[in-house]
Amino acid sequence: ILNVEQSPQSLHVQEGDSTNFTCSFPSSNFYALHWYRWETAKSPEALFVMTLNGDEKKKGRISATLNTKEGYSYLYIKGSQPEDSATYLCAPYGGSQGNLIFGKGTKLSVKP
Amino acid sequence: EAGVVQSPRYKIIEKKQPVAFWCNPISGHNTLYWYLQNLGQGPELLIRYENEEAVDDSQLPKDRFSAERLKGVDSTLKIQPAELGDSAVYLCASSLGPSSIDTQYFGPGTRLTVL
Repeated sequence: ILNVEQSPQSLHVQEGDSTNFTCSFPSSNFYALHWYRWETAKSPEALFVMTLNGDEKKKGRISATLNTKEGYSYLYIKGSQPEDSATYLCAPYGGSQGNLIFGKGTKLSVKP
Repeated sequence: EAGVVQSPRYKIIEKKQPVAFWCNPISGHNTLYWYLQNLGQGPELLIRYENEEAVDDSQLPKDRFSAERLKGVDSTLKIQPAELGDSAVYLCASSLGPSSIDTQYFGPGTRLTVL
């Protein structure tokens, strides 16, 4: 079973703060890593799909990096806004059947 | 383009009752997934379909859970009988294919409460 760890579990920041979270996963047999953003009462929204070591992807104020050799990915949010409040999930692709294995997520709350 | 549609959004039932959830994936998406999300946990895969074939149902509790995907489009997930521990969010997702880089698009989920 793939062990996916996300930290911190939750985070409270002020509007305008920049923040980052970590996703750790086994570095062996790496295929791809997916990041999702899930707002309460809405559908999980795909942010990034990352495949190559050293990959860096950006979407507005959100960016992510990938280190497949050491098995981690960072998600950064620059100048957090209240609308960034959500749970951020990472999911490496793996397992015996080849599926996404989700972490427990980091819950971000941005206070105005 | 319409996203993944799920119904109902919320369901409250008594234990031992049956319940069914419906999912309409994005048009043209061959792969469909049902996930279970317990409070404080990430989504866990229950079953994956390629067209109408269930290719991975290893995590589906087959004594009480069943699923079908008629004509390779809509899908239904059923629980009979429901237990207290089945209270959770049931998510449906679809993708063009099952590869590692295919983005999965999720519906809003059905929140089930079993009393």
